[in-house]
Amino acid sequence: KAGVTQTPRYLIKTRGQQVTLSCSPISGHRSVSWYQQTPGQGLQFLFEYFSETQRNKGNFPGRFSGRQFSNSRSEMNVSTLELGDSALYLCASSFGGGFTDTQYFGPGTRLTVL
Amino acid sequence: SQQGEEDPQALSIQEGENATMNCSYKTSINNLQWYRQNSGRGLVHLILIRSNEREKHSGRLRVTLDTSKKSSSLLITASRAADTASYFCATDTDAGNMLTFGGGTRLMVKP
Repeated sequence: KAGVTQTPRYLIKTRGQQVTLSCSPISGHRSVSWYQQTPGQGLQFLFEYFSETQRNKGNFPGRFSGRQFSNSRSEMNVSTLELGDSALYLCASSFGGGFTDTQYFGPGTRLTVL
Repeated sequence: SQQGEEDPQALSIQEGENATMNCSYKTSINNLQWYRQNSGRGLVHLILIRSNEREKHSGRLRVTLDTSKKSSSLLITASRAADTASYFCATDTDAGNMLTFGGGTRLMVKP
């Protein structure tokens, strides 16, 4: 079974731009979660989607949004980029959703905001 | 803010030695998980221990959980150079609506 894939792997943007990141979960998994990892704040939960619905949300501003498609693929969008948005963005998928299931992580997208 | 705090932040040992990492958390949990991350890559799930369990083993890994102290430890026995990575504990909240990670322990195993 193929693992979780994320595209692109690396991105460079400038302040004020917007960016869309993509995540393809493991086949059969219906839950996709997104995390931001920075040296200062560590790993922080952004949101979780299950069956095309956002089920849980972390403490991030409205500039961070996401969606999930009927095939469980998910995208996250960050608008009006700030320097502090530079981070490794990780997505994880699980079969049933909820955080008692093992989360399978993708390799991440490294976003640099200049 | 992070739910978990890990100790130590960094650990350097020789191959063959045991490595112990500790995690403390603040609120009631349903389960606690440990993950490994190699140098800025994705996380790999190692083990999950539920709040009603006290100890769990998987290969060279041993995890303990003390809910009265809100703490967990991860023991890696007979470490190998390939174990060099960052290790994170993660807890779900009692409400089960998110996963929060500790700051991680950077483990270096010298050959």
